[in-house]
Amino acid sequence: SQELEQSPQSLIVQEGKNLTINCTSSKTLYGLYWYKQKYGEGLIFLMMLQKGGEEKSHEKITAKLDEKKQQSSLHITASQPSHAGIYLCGAGYNQGGKLIFGQGTELSVKP
Amino acid sequence: DAGVIQSPRHEVTEMGQEVTLRCKPISGHNSLFWYRQTMMRGLELLIYFNNNVPIDDSGMPEDRFSAKMPNASFSTLKIQPSEPRDSAVYFCASMKTENTEAFFGQGTRLTVV
Repeated sequence: SQELEQSPQSLIVQEGKNLTINCTSSKTLYGLYWYKQKYGEGLIFLMMLQKGGEEKSHEKITAKLDEKKQQSSLHITASQPSHAGIYLCGAGYNQGGKLIFGQGTELSVKP
Repeated sequence: DAGVIQSPRHEVTEMGQEVTLRCKPISGHNSLFWYRQTMMRGLELLIYFNNNVPIDDSGMPEDRFSAKMPNASFSTLKIQPSEPRDSAVYFCASMKTENTEAFFGQGTRLTVV
């Protein structure tokens, strides 16, 4: 969706390195979702952020939503090969429940 | 619960044929989404339903595409006639209430030759 931009489109990191993926919305978000996808499989939910300034963590993955609720970042600490996959941010813009996604970021982690 | 169930997992069909994709959402979930994923366009929302009612079908590409949800436990996405450019992975997802976690099925990989 053009309303939601992710960067970078792809990322190759050495195992053990930290990395950040960004998601920017053209409009104020009602809710921001992060999902992970392995090639050929469905999407796995990581976390959802709704409040401006909110931060959540799941194992070595941390996501933040900025105060204006238009940008989110996903940070992975000490990356491992198991972190490889496609990371997608999703956005809800109102209480109606419509959920759209960015283009995704393909992450490769080299051992 | 078995999660969101899609069938078939793979479908290969000839151009011009009708294709029907099926989805069984998680029991008790009120919202259902159909998405299409391609390398070029990413994950596109085609249509979503709340309480079996279509709310937004603005993502449906053409009149060749139609979706129904006759009851809370079943939805179909139909393409007629199919074209090679419809080749993609189609995902169904369900959500218990609005703006909560969406659970995705494993997808249907459609190839139109």
